[in-house]
Formats: sequence, structure tokens, C-alpha cells
Amino acid sequence: GNSVTQMEGPVTLSEEAFLTINCTYTATGYPSLFWYVQYPGEGLQLLLKATKADDKGSNKGFEATYRKETTSFHLEKGSVQVSDSAVYFCAHISSGSARQLTFGSGTQLTVLP
Amino acid sequence: DAGVIQSPRHEVTEMGQEVTLRCKPISGHDYLFWYRQTMMRGLELLIYFNNNVPIDDSGMPEDRFSAKMPNASFSTLKIQPSEPRDSAVYFCASSQEGGIPYYEQYFGPGTRLTVT
Repeated sequence: GNSVTQMEGPVTLSEEAFLTINCTYTATGYPSLFWYVQYPGEGLQLLLKATKADDKGSNKGFEATYRKETTSFHLEKGSVQVSDSAVYFCAHISSGSARQLTFGSGTQLTVLP
Repeated sequence: DAGVIQSPRHEVTEMGQEVTLRCKPISGHDYLFWYRQTMMRGLELLIYFNNNVPIDDSGMPEDRFSAKMPNASFSTLKIQPSEPRDSAVYFCASSQEGGIPYYEQYFGPGTRLTVT
């Protein structure tokens, strides 16, 4: 079946540290992959996306590369800021699932000054 | 555009009472989704509509839950009777037709429901 497995949190980093949040997926066909971010008290916002193998999604200094061979879509940022503190969700829409997003469990990130 | 609008933002009710959550999608969007978020189960899709018609309600937990979309600009999620285990944050999201092969969903701020 379709699923998304994310690195468990919480993750606590100092400002300017390097961030990696791991994400792997199982899906039918060729899914589109997403990272959503949820800031405290808010809804989810799309952070970045990739729609085919080897695509790199990027936004606000975050990047993730669609790796079909390892079924992964790890989120990275070279230098995190306090304002990046949020919950990050990996998700996909598989080609056979219409518009249903399958989400991972979320990873809480806290960045300390 | 104001984005997806949900009301109320917070709801506290007693067990057994009826609860109605409301959502106004982004104008022009053809799809509307209702999600529930809890610590134990994460984000769950409850139901989604296309052009006001329910397409998949397999995520609705039980008969106490019902959702309607009487027109393109309004949807409700009703719980009757409510139970403490329904306490969660309920999100509404909408998206446009097209955008193949991906579909960006825009989320509202959520309604935090507490059933005592």
C-alpha cells in the first residue's frame, strides 16, 4: 500500500547547523513528492515539491531530491534559522490515488539561537 | 485571495453535543478536503469533494461524522453526538483542477476541537 516514513523527532539544532530530515515512501506507479511545513498554530503550507525521478525541489534554502532508486525524498538545509522551527511533513500523491495526499507522521524541528 | 477560511478556530463542547465545523475554500478551487490531526494518528484524510460531490468518504471514522458541500464556496463537517476521542485539530484544504501531474493543496488554519 501507500505509505510515507519520516525520521522521528523531535529534532533540536543550533542556529546555522545543517539539517537533514529523512523520508522514504512506498507507492504505486510514479508518485509526486512533497514537503509541507506547519508553523505553530497554523495550517500546513507547501514547502517544496518534485514530480519525477531526479527532480530537485527547493524553496527558502530547503532542498529535497526525488530518488526513485532508494524511494527517498530527504529534506536538507545548509544553515537553519530560529524561524525554521516548525513541524515538517513528507507526503506523496501516487499516480493511482486521485488526489489523496499520504502524509508521514511529521518531524518537529526546534532551532535554538 | 484570503485563502481557505475555517470557523470556528477553537471549539469546546461537552460529550453528546452536536458540533459543526465550517470551511470556505479558495474561490475557483474544484476540490475540497477535510483532514483530522491528532498526536496518536497524525494527519488523516476524512473525506474529499470534487465540484461539491463527495468522492471518497472512506476516512470518515463512523456514522457520527457527516460532511456536506451545498455549494462551491461552503462545506461543513458535523459530529453528532461528539465524544472525547473526537478531540483533534480539523483542517480543511482546497485545490484546483488541473496542475497535472501534481496538485497543490492549500490548507486552512484549522479548528481545534475539544470535547469534554
